[in-house]
Amino acid sequence: DADVTQTPRNRITKTGKRIMLECSQTKGHDRMYWYRQDPGLGLQLIYYSFDVKDINKGEISDGYSVSRQAQAKFSLSLESAIPNQTALYFCATSDPPKRDRGVSEQFFGPGTRLTVL
Amino acid sequence: GQQLNQSPQSMFIQEGEDVSMNCTSSSIFNTWLWYKQDPGEGPVLLIALYKAGELTSNGRLTAQFGITRKDSFLNISASIPSDVGIYFCAGRRFPSNTGKLIFGQGTTLQVKP
Repeated sequence: DADVTQTPRNRITKTGKRIMLECSQTKGHDRMYWYRQDPGLGLQLIYYSFDVKDINKGEISDGYSVSRQAQAKFSLSLESAIPNQTALYFCATSDPPKRDRGVSEQFFGPGTRLTVL
Repeated sequence: GQQLNQSPQSMFIQEGEDVSMNCTSSSIFNTWLWYKQDPGEGPVLLIALYKAGELTSNGRLTAQFGITRKDSFLNISASIPSDVGIYFCAGRRFPSNTGKLIFGQGTTLQVKP
């Protein structure tokens, strides 16, 4: 079974609709992230959470919100979807970095392809 | 916005050829990571670099942390068809008190058998 799962894998919706993307992990990691991938732009951080009571904005948080329901669950919501939010969305998890390391490896889910018409 | 410039954007090579790609920044980074994304999947970590000048290999892959701390390189030797995918560099800027990563735009690699 996959360690980081995302649902749905594909979603087509209309402008103005509310959409929720879900992420679950069985890795026991405290840290979870939501990224957006657009062709030619790489991965851009939307929101991240370092534990259940911690939520932080990333580079491109406008138009998005998140909820950390439990250590294992981190959901991303688009309150009113617009066409330029059409993209591939990835959830990732990680442990805190070791003392002599600035970061630790992030493990990615398989992605959700969202199309907003 | 983007703070890492990754090049080339895409490569189309013959099986057996060596591949080189790089990532540069105007800022100093204290960690460099290289990920590969297969079609329809999420990125998977290939190599992590933590010290300037560090050279690390993973099979046919070799990555280096540039001595200026503003760049990193990934080489793939004797490419094979399963090397196809998108390769991303990612780094942690210095100074930083968070574990946030900044990603490059990606290099799309296609290998002709």
